[in-house]
Amino acid sequence: KNEVEQSPQNLTAQEGEFITINCSYSVGISALHWLQQHPGGGIVSLFMLSSGKKKHGRLIATINIQEKHSSLHITASHPRDSAVYICAVGITAEKLVFGKGTKLTVNP
Amino acid sequence: NAGVTQTPKFQVLKTGQSMTLQCAQDMNHEYMSWYRQDPGMGLRLIHYSVGAGITDQGEVPNGYNVSRSTTEDFPLRLLSAAPSQTSVYFCASSYWTGATEAFFGQGTRLTVV
Repeated sequence: KNEVEQSPQNLTAQEGEFITINCSYSVGISALHWLQQHPGGGIVSLFMLSSGKKKHGRLIATINIQEKHSSLHITASHPRDSAVYICAVGITAEKLVFGKGTKLTVNP
Repeated sequence: NAGVTQTPKFQVLKTGQSMTLQCAQDMNHEYMSWYRQDPGMGLRLIHYSVGAGITDQGEVPNGYNVSRSTTEDFPLRLLSAAPSQTSVYFCASSYWTGATEAFFGQGTRLTVV
């Protein structure tokens, strides 16, 4: 069983829709990261959180430590949000474990 | 600041050839790491370093070598390339992994024929 599970694997939305991507993990963690990867591009860190909720523009990330679950929300989605969103958890001081990613396509 | 600079962006190697992927960061980060990304799989840790002169193996270290002579640089060496090493490679750095933001390079798409 993977230590980090993301759902859904693929997500298609219409511009303006509210989007939720989920991440569940099975081990104790020091922090959880949400990353964004554009096609052909590098990886950008969106959030790092260990409790509660963080917001940046139209992006919101939440984490429930007791339930070992995190969600990434995108409000008023836009075609430029189309990317792969990756959840990663810090298991030890040296180790990040990554989910397989969620491919988001936002159609105009 | 340039952040994390990774070169080259693309590379094609013949089986058995060797090469070095370069990674440099200008943020004075102690922690640097190399990952490979394969279709249908999450990024997997190859090697990491917690400071100059200190390196350790990750999940998939076979066929790769690293060194960390300075805080800024963390090159990844492929000793004798194999088709199984065809992948996209990412270098990352942070002040300390797990609990601080990670910064990634732009990636190197490597094809071994």
